[in-house]
Amino acid sequence: NAGVMQNPRHLVRRRGQEARLRCSPMKGHSHVYWYRQLPEEGLKFMVYLQKENIIDESGMPKERFSAEFPKEGPSILRIQQVVRGDSAAYFCASSTGAAGTGELFFGEGSRLTVL
Amino acid sequence: SQQGEEDPQALSIQEGENATMNCSYKTSINNLQWYRQNSGRGLVHLILIRSNEREKHSGRLRVTLDTSKKSSSLLITASRAADTASYFCASSYSGNTGKLIFGQGTTLQVKP
Repeated sequence: NAGVMQNPRHLVRRRGQEARLRCSPMKGHSHVYWYRQLPEEGLKFMVYLQKENIIDESGMPKERFSAEFPKEGPSILRIQQVVRGDSAAYFCASSTGAAGTGELFFGEGSRLTVL
Repeated sequence: SQQGEEDPQALSIQEGENATMNCSYKTSINNLQWYRQNSGRGLVHLILIRSNEREKHSGRLRVTLDTSKKSSSLLITASRAADTASYFCASSYSGNTGKLIFGQGTTLQVKP
């Protein structure tokens, strides 16, 4: 009964490269959320997806960032042309019901370092 | 920004003492949740309190909610060194997509 799986756990990219972060939700969960956390800070909401649909992307930068949750396969957070300010821990969470109806289950995070 | 505030930002206590953390939020909520994060790890759900509830217990945890003051508190009784972690409140706001908005967190250190 695996939990939320994120990979890679650590990713190093040079400025201008692309970063792809993957998240497999818990079995039976169709709602996925991505959050970003800077050192010593709380989590900042980025995007909320349900299978094949983006429900709320109000926290995601308009440029360079995109997210998807296809019918088959994991959810992907994609950051194009990374800059040093993108260095952070990116957490994925999933839930059975719609956002706000119950608890979120979090993965261990993907830590992105941009050189 | 809908993000709430938490205080204190940091708390250091001795094992056996109680720890109280407070959280304030901005507008009407569906529910408020508390999460714990150990250093370098993901968040773990502790407790959820709905807007029509005033108090909830789970083991050594006690959460209160005061909707008139838009605030909540988390009390950990008889703390242990293993309780050392960061604690975050998260609000699900009414009239929103329901996504959870997290506070800045309280870092708790429990000294053995």
